[in-house]
Amino acid sequence: AQTVTQSQPEMSVQEAETVTLSCTYDTSENNYYLFWYKQPPSRQMILVIRQEAYKQQNATENRFSVNFQKAAKSFSLKISDSQLGDTAMYFCAFMKHEMNDMRFGAGTRLTVKP
Amino acid sequence: GAGVSQSPRYKVAKRGQDVALRCDPISGHVSLFWYQQALGQGPEFLTYFQNEAQLDKSGLPSDRFFAERPEGSVSTLKIQRTQQEDSAVYLCASSQYRDQPQHFGDGTRLSIL
Repeated sequence: AQTVTQSQPEMSVQEAETVTLSCTYDTSENNYYLFWYKQPPSRQMILVIRQEAYKQQNATENRFSVNFQKAAKSFSLKISDSQLGDTAMYFCAFMKHEMNDMRFGAGTRLTVKP
Repeated sequence: GAGVSQSPRYKVAKRGQDVALRCDPISGHVSLFWYQQALGQGPEFLTYFQNEAQLDKSGLPSDRFFAERPEGSVSTLKIQRTQQEDSAVYLCASSQYRDQPQHFGDGTRLSIL
């Protein structure tokens, strides 16, 4: 079974600074997808970034980038120039290629302080 | 609509009652997913539809949980004889196809008294 581990239940960062959220996963599969989702208090899960395992290049979306280390099964999220609106729960998720169920970690609560 | 719509946003029921939760996916999205999110936890997969076909129901916790998508668009998650452990947020997501990014609704918070 695939498991996703987020070892940081809570983190905080000053506005405009950089923060990195950790995620590790366990799988024997070679083809899969990894995701970071943001969930603000409104509850809607918003896709932040998506990585396909066969791609060696790390995905980037504006201020959000990942450090994907396939051999180490690590998938960390870096948020640059943090903004107050980045305050939310962040979930790391894993999905096998051509499967249906996305497996989520327990989440990291990020607070951006003014 | 522009996004995935779920109703009701909040539902309170007494233990033993039946409840029905609705999901209206993004128009044209083939794939539809239901997740259960307990307080302070990440979502857990319940079931998956491709159009009207329920292809995976491996995550449904018991036979009290039933989901349908009869015309391949709107889906309903039904919970019979609710119990306190059913209290959670139920999230619906849709995607164009199975491997495409999933778009989530705001969820229904279910509280069983």
